[in-house]
Amino acid sequence: NAGVTQTPKFQVLKTGQSMTLQCAQDMNHEYMSWYRQDPGMGLRLIHYSVGAGITDQGEVPNGYNVSRSTTEDFPLRLLSAAPSQTSVYFCASSYSSVFEQYFGPGTRLTVT
Amino acid sequence: DQQVKQNSPSLSVQEGRISILNCDYTNSMFDYFLWYKKYPAEGPTFLISISSIKDKNEDGRFTVFLNKSAKHLSLHIVPSQPGDSAVYFCAARPGTASKLTFGTGTRLQVTL
Repeated sequence: NAGVTQTPKFQVLKTGQSMTLQCAQDMNHEYMSWYRQDPGMGLRLIHYSVGAGITDQGEVPNGYNVSRSTTEDFPLRLLSAAPSQTSVYFCASSYSSVFEQYFGPGTRLTVT
Repeated sequence: DQQVKQNSPSLSVQEGRISILNCDYTNSMFDYFLWYKKYPAEGPTFLISISSIKDKNEDGRFTVFLNKSAKHLSLHIVPSQPGDSAVYFCAARPGTASKLTFGTGTRLQVTL
């Protein structure tokens, strides 16, 4: 099993550009989520999904969109990048919301 | 409003000694708590958890203690090893709810 994979590992964007961060898992997990990690802030939940076709907002959803068309994939879209979105982004998955989450290796995003 | 707080940003412990990492929470609805460990350039990995119906949970060198009345939990690592050097995040959630709330992390350095 590859576990949770994220691409790209690094990305630099200009303000106003859009992009999609990819996340995939091969463990047949129903629950998937996106977090951002900022210095002194810990990990904050952006969006999550409890199964294919179902998504919901987390703590900091503004500026991000998600969709869940398959169990395996949970992409995160930045609609119009802003410098405040400079962060490290982690995708995570678990069998269900009550189980511990497995994290991907992260994507380091810089918006100039 | 930081609902999960890790007030010590860093901790240095000698190899073989006990490491004690602390976490406080303010939301009385939290009843499941987890510790994650994170190495640089990697995603967090699950370490140990505890439900509010218990006050202690042990897994090898790692023990988590929960004091519900004080809204405080701690992670004990005995004996500490150089490979334990990492950032440790405390996380909490209410019941079977999906959303995890993370603390800001404590960087543990185990010295020889």
